[in-house]
Amino acid sequence: TQLLEQSPQFLSIQEGENLTVYCNSSSVFSSLQWYRQEPGEGPVLLVTVVTGGEVKKLKRLTFQFGDARKDSSLHITAAQPGDTGLYLCAGASVRDDKIIFGKGTRLHILP
Amino acid sequence: AAGVIQSPRHLIKEKRETATLKCYPISRHDTVYWYQQGPGQDPQFLISFYEKMQSDKGSIPDRFSAQQFSDYHSELNMSSLELGDSALYFCASSLGLAYSYEQYFGPGTRLTVT
Repeated sequence: TQLLEQSPQFLSIQEGENLTVYCNSSSVFSSLQWYRQEPGEGPVLLVTVVTGGEVKKLKRLTFQFGDARKDSSLHITAAQPGDTGLYLCAGASVRDDKIIFGKGTRLHILP
Repeated sequence: AAGVIQSPRHLIKEKRETATLKCYPISRHDTVYWYQQGPGQDPQFLISFYEKMQSDKGSIPDRFSAQQFSDYHSELNMSSLELGDSALYFCASSLGLAYSYEQYFGPGTRLTVT
């Protein structure tokens, strides 16, 4: 069974702090997506990474795809209350093209 | 461009009743995914369709069925509803076999079974 493990599961930090969320697997992915979901709403696509070692920036968010395309990280600089939400990673396996989701990281930024 | 549309947004049913949820994908998207999300849980994949054919099946109960129509909209039919079926149901669409596999989610249907 292919798994995408996200860590930490929960994270509560003060506004202004930095944080990193991880998404790890033993499988190789052709692409990996990060989503953010707010309560009662659908997940919103933040970014797609495709190339091993790729780094993408979205304002204060930095996404990195591992060299072997098995893992990814999301780094948030100077977190703000508006960053609060459930962060999900999802990957399309090269083995069977199926998309799997991680269980998410619940992030809470305290003002 | 319009996003994924789901209807209804809220639905209240009694146990053993049936419910039909509808999903209208983004224009030109040929793949639809259905997810169920319980309170405090991550979305659980139910089923997906590509070009009107079932492409993958997840943890969808036998009491549920779904299909994708010629105009690419999809319907999730739920019968013999149970209290545990109360959840948010999301539909997502994508360009199917496009290399990036990006999914665009709808706002969800909140189903309450009483």
